[in-house]
Amino acid sequence: GAGVSQTPSNKVTEKGKYVELRCDPISGHTALYWYRQSLGQGPEFLIYFQGTGAADDSGLPNDRFFAVRPEGSVSTLKIQRTERGDSAVYLCASSSNLYTEAFFGQGTRLTVV
Amino acid sequence: AQRVTQPEKLLSVFKGAPVELKCNYSYSGSPELFWYVQYSRQRLQLLLRHISRESIKGFTADLNKGETSFHLKKPFAQEEDSAMYYCALSWSGGGNKLTFGTGTQLKVEL
Repeated sequence: GAGVSQTPSNKVTEKGKYVELRCDPISGHTALYWYRQSLGQGPEFLIYFQGTGAADDSGLPNDRFFAVRPEGSVSTLKIQRTERGDSAVYLCASSSNLYTEAFFGQGTRLTVV
Repeated sequence: AQRVTQPEKLLSVFKGAPVELKCNYSYSGSPELFWYVQYSRQRLQLLLRHISRESIKGFTADLNKGETSFHLKKPFAQEEDSAMYYCALSWSGGGNKLTFGTGTQLKVEL
């Protein structure tokens, strides 16, 4: 496909469990971003990758959240010991560099029960 | 810290009427401002950014540094404009690391 792909579309997990959310960026895009959108809010920046490295992780809320992009393409957002407050839509976006148009995925809706 | 305010959660207008979606920001430096749009059941997409000075789908937005505003305008609303609109700010050099407002749902009625 030509767009940013996120899997799964929906994830329901129990409080305290570990989850992984996957993002497949547009081929050739070196910049990748994760955002979180809580109900009734705009997207909130979490982390930005340039290539394989996390160039800015200032938006990660705490050390339960971690993201990787080992080969500079697919990225995984990992959440440990999930809490009900982590329930949100997690958005991934990619762009050819930090300053060109970012294209968003359809999001993963995470529900922690 | 930067902040984006969109005072209206919902804006309802009739087809053919002018539209203005309000956006105010607070940031001490030189920001870059964006408008993103999300149509029903579609993904978030860029509508316009102030540095390109383009008119997209008839929408324009002017950065007013004195009033710290970046309102989105269209002279004649169309039914297909119904969507969720988000104003966003990037700090100087920040690129696509964005601070979003809470969004305004635009409903264009026939």
